[in-house]
Amino acid sequence: NAGVTQTPKFQVLKTGQSMTLQCAQDMNHNSMYWYRQDPGMGLRLIYYSASEGTTDKGEVPNGYNVSRLNKREFSLRLESAAPSQTSVYFCASSEYNRATWISPLHFGNGTRLTVT
Amino acid sequence: DAKTTQPNSMESNEEEPVHLPCNHSTISGTDYIHWYRQLPSQGPEYVIHGLTSNVNNRMASLAIAEDRKSSTLILHRATLRDAAVYYCILRGYSGAGSYQLTFGKGTKLSVIP
Repeated sequence: NAGVTQTPKFQVLKTGQSMTLQCAQDMNHNSMYWYRQDPGMGLRLIYYSASEGTTDKGEVPNGYNVSRLNKREFSLRLESAAPSQTSVYFCASSEYNRATWISPLHFGNGTRLTVT
Repeated sequence: DAKTTQPNSMESNEEEPVHLPCNHSTISGTDYIHWYRQLPSQGPEYVIHGLTSNVNNRMASLAIAEDRKSSTLILHRATLRDAAVYYCILRGYSGAGSYQLTFGKGTKLSVIP
């Protein structure tokens, strides 16, 4: 079982370039998430998708867009990259049910993005 | 989600028990206490969660104070692979907000051979 797979693992962009971070899960989870982690800080939620067909903003959504392509895949797009978006990006997924706040999140191993 | 307070860092000798504390004095009655850990260069990994009673699983034990204002994650025998940042998180149901798992800075655990 691969779990949550993120591509690419590393990326360097120049200011103003665009790119899409890909995430796929094979656990049949309904909910998926994008977080960013900056040095010495905890994770901050960018966007989440409670179920296929829905997406919502998290704590730090500015400068990002997301697409829930199907149940397995949730992508994060940077339309015009800025140095402030240099970070490690983590995708996660979880079960959805009435007690969803109990269900553990399963994380990928991250995409390390540098914007120069 | 209510706030948690953890020590910035702790050290433990290999094969000894480790007690990682977490204070959450503003916890509400429906908040679950979750613990995750993050090994170097990896994504966070779920460890354990509980509501009121102490909980055990293959990775760790969770001891919850009677008033629920604090909890302790217990690693029974620390190994070098347990060196990680440990996050204590409160997760309560608040509609859309229940998806916003808030990670603080956590406790960096170092294990000494």
